[in-house]
Amino acid sequence: EPEVTQTPSHQVTQMGQEVILRCVPISNHLYFYWYRQILGQKVEFLVSFYNNEISEKSEIFDDQFSVERPDGSNFTLKIRSTKLEDSAMYFCASSVGQESPLHFGNGTRLTVT
Amino acid sequence: SQKIEQNSEALNIQEGKTATLTCNYTNYSPAYLQWYRQDPGRGPVFLLLIRENEKEKRKERLKVTFDTTLKQSLFHITASQPADSATYLCALRGGSYIPTFGRGTSLIVHP
Repeated sequence: EPEVTQTPSHQVTQMGQEVILRCVPISNHLYFYWYRQILGQKVEFLVSFYNNEISEKSEIFDDQFSVERPDGSNFTLKIRSTKLEDSAMYFCASSVGQESPLHFGNGTRLTVT
Repeated sequence: SQKIEQNSEALNIQEGKTATLTCNYTNYSPAYLQWYRQDPGRGPVFLLLIRENEKEKRKERLKVTFDTTLKQSLFHITASQPADSATYLCALRGGSYIPTFGRGTSLIVHP
């Protein structure tokens, strides 16, 4: 069964550094998402992407965050200047359509020191 | 404000029994409600979707009910097994198509 893949599985970075988290969504899916989960807390929506542009974003997704689909297969989340509170598990997801279930990757654990 | 409430206490049951998990919501008029399973360190995995005009949905040992008057969904696992131990998340789509997740309830099935 096709799956969403995320790399790296674990990223450690120093405060203030830029990180790029990478995702390869399922190939025939049209909608792409980033969610995050701080340890022990709920899965929170960050941003959705459709037709090569952001379709929705949450309050968490401020100017430090950006997303890109550079080549038709990868979907990336960039955090420009990481903060300690950015430490979390970041999940990429994709869906065929707006009303379709989400397929999640297994996440990138980001640790900011 | 909008809320999705799931019991934060873990549900402990014996193998073979039926597990029932609850999802309550306020200030949503969801067109859909979804249930996902999340194992430690892994991404959520979709289980079932139920629409606002459906009262009940079944898939193998899983059953979901949706009561829009009570603003509640119940998720049942019959003949539970230790392998069913995980956190179960409900997710709502309201006016936006973006699913919003509850905190989840941890289910522990004892052999």
